[in-house]
Amino acid sequence: AQSVTQPDIHITVSEGASLELRCNYSYGATPYLFWYVQSPGQGLQLLLKYFSGDTLVQGIKGFEAEFKRSQSSFNLRKPSVHWSDAAEYFCAVGGYNTDKLIFGTGTRLQVFP
Amino acid sequence: NAGVTQTPKFRILKIGQSMTLQCAQDMNHNYMYWYRQDPGMGLKLIYYSVGAGITDKGEVPNGYNVSRSTTEDFPLRLELAAPSQTSVYFCASSYGQGGGTTDTQYFGPGTRLTVL
Repeated sequence: AQSVTQPDIHITVSEGASLELRCNYSYGATPYLFWYVQSPGQGLQLLLKYFSGDTLVQGIKGFEAEFKRSQSSFNLRKPSVHWSDAAEYFCAVGGYNTDKLIFGTGTRLQVFP
Repeated sequence: NAGVTQTPKFRILKIGQSMTLQCAQDMNHNYMYWYRQDPGMGLKLIYYSVGAGITDKGEVPNGYNVSRSTTEDFPLRLELAAPSQTSVYFCASSYGQGGGTTDTQYFGPGTRLTVL
């Protein structure tokens, strides 16, 4: 079955610290992978996406993610977190043979000054 | 561009009432989607459309209906509201040229619905 797992429901970091949000997927074909961010009371905004090629992808707001096929993972990273990064982050998977994305349950990031 | 707009922002319904959630996009996108978001559950796809006149069910379609008569609009209809439909509803759209999931989905701000 196709699925996305975000094992961390809630993460708290200090401002300036590094961040890694985990995402594991199960998909029967070549996956297309996405990270979206949702600020409080807002809709979702795309951070970055991976289809093929270089397994390290850069996104907006200084985020990056690395695709590891052997681990079925697509973890999101940021070297230094800012207070404005506090939000909920969603990983999603799709593919060339589908019109639908499957979303994970999200990770809520809290940033302390 | 206004992007994806949704109305209303908030609504309280009584059990058994009906309502339509409106969604419009001005980006000339082919694909449109309706999701619901429940705490701890992520987003679940209700219905989607790949073009005017074409709709298909998502993961959780029961209790909802949609239509797509124009490229711009994709309303979601709740016929007999139930407490289980209390949720935040998001509409999204994407260009869809390369297949629905290759293009970025743009989300509206959401509609918070409570059914009492």
